[in-house]
Amino acid sequence: DAGVTQSPTHLIKTRGQQVTLRCSPKSGHDTVSWYQQALGQGPQFIFQYYEEEERQRGNFPDRFSGHQFPNYSSELNVNALLLGDSALYLCASSGLGGAQPQHFGDGTRLSIL
Amino acid sequence: DAKTTQPNSMESNEEEPVHLPCNHSTISGTDYIHWYRQLPSQGPEYVIHGLTSNVNNRMASLAIAEDRKSSTLILHRATLRDAAVYYCILRDISGYALNFGKGTSLLVTP
Repeated sequence: DAGVTQSPTHLIKTRGQQVTLRCSPKSGHDTVSWYQQALGQGPQFIFQYYEEEERQRGNFPDRFSGHQFPNYSSELNVNALLLGDSALYLCASSGLGGAQPQHFGDGTRLSIL
Repeated sequence: DAKTTQPNSMESNEEEPVHLPCNHSTISGTDYIHWYRQLPSQGPEYVIHGLTSNVNNRMASLAIAEDRKSSTLILHRATLRDAAVYYCILRDISGYALNFGKGTSLLVTP
């Protein structure tokens, strides 16, 4: 049973460019959350999707947007990249509700030059 | 959001038990207590969670104080593979975001 898969694993972009990161949830999971983890810090919540709708959003600008597809997979889009967007981007999937553990992928390492 | 307080770092000897403490004095009645850990170069990994009663699973045990204002993650026999950052997180029953703090960096020595 495959866990959460993310692609690509590494990505290098330049300032001002746009990027799309992809996530396939663990089988049976319908909720997808995205997190940003800067070096040496804990993950910071970006947003959560359920039933193709953004259910909750963290303190991130509108340059960060997402989408969830009918098969529950998800994309994270970041526009107008800044140097400070360099980070590990993590996707987590779960069932709905606070008692449901989140299962994380190993992330996409995004470097902005 | 209710916050948690954990020591920045702890050390343990291999094959010894480890008790990782977490204070959460402002916990609400609908908050679950979740523990995750993150090994180097990997995404966070779910360890255990509970609401009011102590919990056991194959990875660890979770001891929750009677007033729920603190909890302790117990690793019964630490191995070198248990060296990681451990996060104690309060999560509302609605199932919204996991709010990670700085966690506790656990060092396990042979």
